[in-house]
Amino acid sequence: EVQVVESGGGLAQPGRSLRLSCAASGFTFDDYAMHWVRQTPGKALEWVSGISWNSASIGYADSVKGRFTISRDNAKNSLYLQMNSLRAEDTAFYYCAKDIFLITGTGSFFDSWGQGTLVTVSS
Amino acid sequence: DIQMTQSPSSLSASVGDRVTITCRASQSISNFLNWYQQKPGKAPKLLIYAASSLQSGVPSSFSGSGSGTDFTLTISSLQPEHFATYYCQQTYSIPLTFGGGTKVEI
Repeated sequence: EVQVVESGGGLAQPGRSLRLSCAASGFTFDDYAMHWVRQTPGKALEWVSGISWNSASIGYADSVKGRFTISRDNAKNSLYLQMNSLRAEDTAFYYCAKDIFLITGTGSFFDSWGQGTLVTVSS
Repeated sequence: DIQMTQSPSSLSASVGDRVTITCRASQSISNFLNWYQQKPGKAPKLLIYAASSLQSGVPSSFSGSGSGTDFTLTISSLQPEHFATYYCQQTYSIPLTFGGGTKVEI
C-alpha cells in the first residue's frame, strides 16, 4: 500500500525555523517526483514546492521562495522541507504528495497524499 | 502565475441531484487540469486528471470536461458520501496552482 507520512510540525516563533519530513513506503520512491502542499484551516490548497526524482529539478511558490528548501534522500525514502524565516502566514497544515511522474511538470497530478502535519507560527 | 477561479464557492444540493462545478484558468492550460475531493479533516483525493480521465477506483458518477481555459466537474447523481469540498488544479506550468474550492453541502 502506498503511504506517505508527514512529521515535524509544531509551534514556532516568527523568524525561526522548522524542518518537515515525509516518510514514503509502498512504492519505489526514486521513481517519482514529490511535492509539499499546504492548507490554512478552512482555506484553499496552496502548492508550496516540488522536486524531481533525482533532485535536479526543483520549484517553489513565490510565497516561500528564498525561505523554504525542499530536498529528498532516496536512500531513506524521505522528503524534507526546511522552513526558515517563518511568518504567521506560513501557519497551515502541510501535506506531502506523490507525483505520477519522475519530474514535476506539465501534466503532473498527485495520486497519493499524507494526512498532513500542522505548523503554527506564533509568538 | 496562472490563476484558477472556481464557481460557485459553495452550493447546496440534495441526494440524487446533478451537480456541476466550473473552473476557469487565467490563460490556456490545454487539458492539464486535475480535480480533487477533500472531506473535513482528510487529505485531498484525486478524482480526475487531464481534464477528463477518471482516476482508478473513482466512481463513474464523476466526470470532467473542458480544455483551454474552461473546465467542469460533474457529479451525475449526488450521494451522501459526495458532500465535500472540490478543488481544481492546473499543472500546465510552475507554480502549480489550485482553485479556491467549491463546498458541496446539503
